[in-house]
Amino acid sequence: DAGITQSPRHKVTETGTPVTLRCHQTENHRYMYWYRQDPGHGLRLIHYSYGVKDTDKGEVSDGYSVSRSKTEDFLLTLESATSSQTSVYFCAINSAGTGDEKLFFGSGTQLSVL
Amino acid sequence: GESVGLHLPTLSVQEGDNSIINCAYSNSASDYFIWYKQESGKGPQFIIDIRSNMDKRQGQRVTVLLNKTVKHLSLQIAATQPGDSAVYFCAETPPGGSYIPTFGRGTSLIVHP
Repeated sequence: DAGITQSPRHKVTETGTPVTLRCHQTENHRYMYWYRQDPGHGLRLIHYSYGVKDTDKGEVSDGYSVSRSKTEDFLLTLESATSSQTSVYFCAINSAGTGDEKLFFGSGTQLSVL
Repeated sequence: GESVGLHLPTLSVQEGDNSIINCAYSNSASDYFIWYKQESGKGPQFIIDIRSNMDKRQGQRVTVLLNKTVKHLSLQIAATQPGDSAVYFCAETPPGGSYIPTFGRGTSLIVHP
C-alpha cells in the first residue's frame, strides 16, 4: 500500500472515550489525509495536512482533531467518541507538488463505538 | 442515495465481456481525474488518471475517456475478469494546487465467471 500503515486495523470502544488512530508513511510525501467511509456517503474528508504542523479541516471535521508533528505520522483523534463515528477510516498520502497528484490509501481502520 | 455496498449502482457482466463504468463530475474547472478500485476490506487503489488536456488515456486493459463538454468520465475495462469485481470510484481535482480531490459515490462491478 505505497508505504502507508494504519493502526489499529480494528477498534471497539465505548461512547465518551477518547480514540486515536495513527497513520504512518515511509514515502516522505507532503500531503496526508483522513477520510471516513460510510454507506450512503462514500469517502468524506475529515482533515488533511500539507506539512508538519500544517493542517486544515475537511467537510466532516466536527468531533475530530488531528496532529502532524513529523512528516511520517498523521494522527486522528476522537476526543469523545460517539456512535455516529462508527465508520471505516482511511488515511491517504499524496506527493502533491511533484507533478504526481494521485492519492495512495492505507488499508483502513474499522472503528466501532458502542 | 448511492452508497458503498448494497445501494451502489451495480454493473453485472460476464467474464470476458468489456465493462464501461460511468461518472458525472461536478466542477467544470476540474483539471485532473482519477479512477480508483476498491476491493472488499481494502483501501482504494489507483487505476488510471487523466488530465483535462486529454480526452483519452489507455493503460493495461483499461481506458479512461473524458468528455469535458458534458462533464463525463468513463472507465472501460477490456476482457473483464472475476478479479475486477470491486467498487470503482472516480475523483476530480480542481486547479489551483488544492490537491483535495472530490470522490464520486462509486459503482459496484460484479463479474460472473
